[in-house]
Amino acid sequence: DAGVIQSPRHEVTEMGQEVTLRCKPISGHDYLFWYRQTMMRGLELLIYFNNNVPIDDSGMPEDRFSAKMPNASFSTLKIQPSEPRDSAVYFCASSSRRSLYGYTFGSGTRLTVV
Amino acid sequence: GQQLNQSPQSMFIQEGEDVSMNCTSSSIFNTWLWYKQEPGEGPVLLIALYKAGELTSNGRLTAQFGITRKDSFLNISASIPSDVGIYFCAGLPNAGGTSYGKLTFGQGTILTVHP
Repeated sequence: DAGVIQSPRHEVTEMGQEVTLRCKPISGHDYLFWYRQTMMRGLELLIYFNNNVPIDDSGMPEDRFSAKMPNASFSTLKIQPSEPRDSAVYFCASSSRRSLYGYTFGSGTRLTVV
Repeated sequence: GQQLNQSPQSMFIQEGEDVSMNCTSSSIFNTWLWYKQEPGEGPVLLIALYKAGELTSNGRLTAQFGITRKDSFLNISASIPSDVGIYFCAGLPNAGGTSYGKLTFGQGTILTVHP
């Protein structure tokens, strides 16, 4: 299994631009999570999906952030417009209830907004 | 919201030494997890604990779920250079419903091992 695949690994963009982060979860996992990691705030859960349906998006910072999961093998996290304070590492993770919280994280996307 | 207090924030040790770190909370958690993160990678699950008082080992790693359900510790015995990384505790407040997946992470313990 290739694990959770995120792209791109690094993204540098100018303030105001739209950014789209992509995630392919592990096949058969029915939960998908988007986390953000910063030095100041640590790991924060932004949103999670179960069977492609958003369950809890209370961690999404503001309306500039949106996430979709059009099918079981793909999810996107979009920031529009991006701001310098959005600079962070964004992780996608997937899990199955059968694995009892055995999350598998992707390698992350390091986003820098200048 | 719920917070986990993880300590110490960082550790500098010599190869071969044992390591201990812990996590405490003001709230009860039903599941405790320990992750390790290496540079440029996402966290990797090391140990999962599901019952108060549970003691679980994974090689040189041992973790315990505190009897009060408000704390957990992780021990690493006979540390080696590849143990370097950031160790995170994470807790889950209850076992199901819409709270599934809402892990709360500690701030991490940065471990440096000198050969």
